[in-house]
Formats: sequence, structure tokens, C-alpha cells
Amino acid sequence: GAGVSQSPRYKVAKRGQDVALRCDPISGHVSLFWYQQALGQGPEFLTYFQNEAQLDKSGLPSDRFFAERPEGSVSTLKIQRTQQEDSAVYLCASSLGLAGGNEQFFGPGTRLTVL
Amino acid sequence: AQSVSQHNHHVILSEAASLELGCNYSYGGTVNLFWYVQYPGQHLQLLLKYFSGDPLVKGIKGFEAEFIKSKFSFNLRKPSVQWSDTAEYFCAVNPPPGAGSYQLTFGKGTKLSVIP
Repeated sequence: GAGVSQSPRYKVAKRGQDVALRCDPISGHVSLFWYQQALGQGPEFLTYFQNEAQLDKSGLPSDRFFAERPEGSVSTLKIQRTQQEDSAVYLCASSLGLAGGNEQFFGPGTRLTVL
Repeated sequence: AQSVSQHNHHVILSEAASLELGCNYSYGGTVNLFWYVQYPGQHLQLLLKYFSGDPLVKGIKGFEAEFIKSKFSFNLRKPSVQWSDTAEYFCAVNPPPGAGSYQLTFGKGTKLSVIP
């Protein structure tokens, strides 16, 4: 497909487990973003990649959160030792050009539930 | 830091009623402004955007928004809503390239329910 895809779509984890969430951006898109959307809230920025470089990780809530995009395409968001407060929808978005002013195309999200 | 506030959490309208959803932002410089829509069970989609020029922006499905710089507002409007407009609407801002910040900052969203 031509859009942003994410997997898995749903993930249930026991507290303390590690999880890995995958994002496949639109082919050729330079910029990739991760957002966290808690229930009843708007998406909140986590981190930004320009190709393989992670230029901004100011939104990552703790050092348990780690993201990578080693070849400048697929990205993985990893959460270690999950906590209940990590339960949210994790959204990935990509844009063709450099960040700032370009339309971001969103994936369907991964809904993470931590028990 | 930029912030976005959306005035209404949940709006209920009958079909053919007019719609206006409020959005105010806080940012000290030039901004780009967006409205995204999330239909039930679907992902976020861009409805319309403002970068520069004519402050009245037209988007898909008959939606429009007006940027009023003096009021830091970017309200979304539609003259006559349809049942299919039932969705959650998010206002978002980001600075232009080179301003040093990359992310979209979203409001909390407004849920629109249209009654047939």
C-alpha cells in the first residue's frame, strides 16, 4: 500500500515486559515522527528522525523509551519494562521533506495496553 | 513552547446544521496550521492546512478554516454538516522550516456527532 503502516495494531503486555513497535513510512519520505496518544487526548510528540538521524527525542517520557531508524526507512519504537502509564496509542507519521511545514501522513497506530 | 486549545470537547449537531470548531494557539512566531480528522476506526487524515497567503483556506469535503493572526485562531467551519462528518477533529500547529522545532503540537480534539 501507499500509506504508512504500523505493526502490530494491538499489543497487550504485562507490566515489566519489553515491547517493540514497528513503523513502515511512505517510501522516500525523509522525515519520520512518533507520537503518543492517550485516551481522550491529542497526539503528543515523542521523537523525530531525518533519514537515519534522530534529531529530536525531547518528547520521550523516560529512558525506558528508545527509537531507531537505522537505514533511514523502517523505524522501531522500543519500550522497556512497560508500566501501566505507557498504555496509549502510538502513532507514526512520515513526511516527504524536512520537518516544519510539511504535511505529515499518519499510520493507523499501535494500541498498547499494559496490564 | 507552542500550545493549542480546542474549545469544545464534544459537539452534537443535526444534519444540515452549520459547524464551527474553535482553535487557538500559543506561539510567538510564524506558524503553520492544520486540521486533521479521524473518522471512526480510521487513521488521522489531513483536512486542510495553512502555510501563508490567503487566510481563508478551503479543504476537502466542504470544510474551510480562517486564520486570524490577531486572535491566534484557526477555526474550522462547514456550512452544512452530514452524518458522514461524524469524527474527531484535531487542530495542530508547527513552526516553519528552520525554526528549530519539528513536531506538530495538537489540541485535545473535538468529537463531532451528527444526528441524521
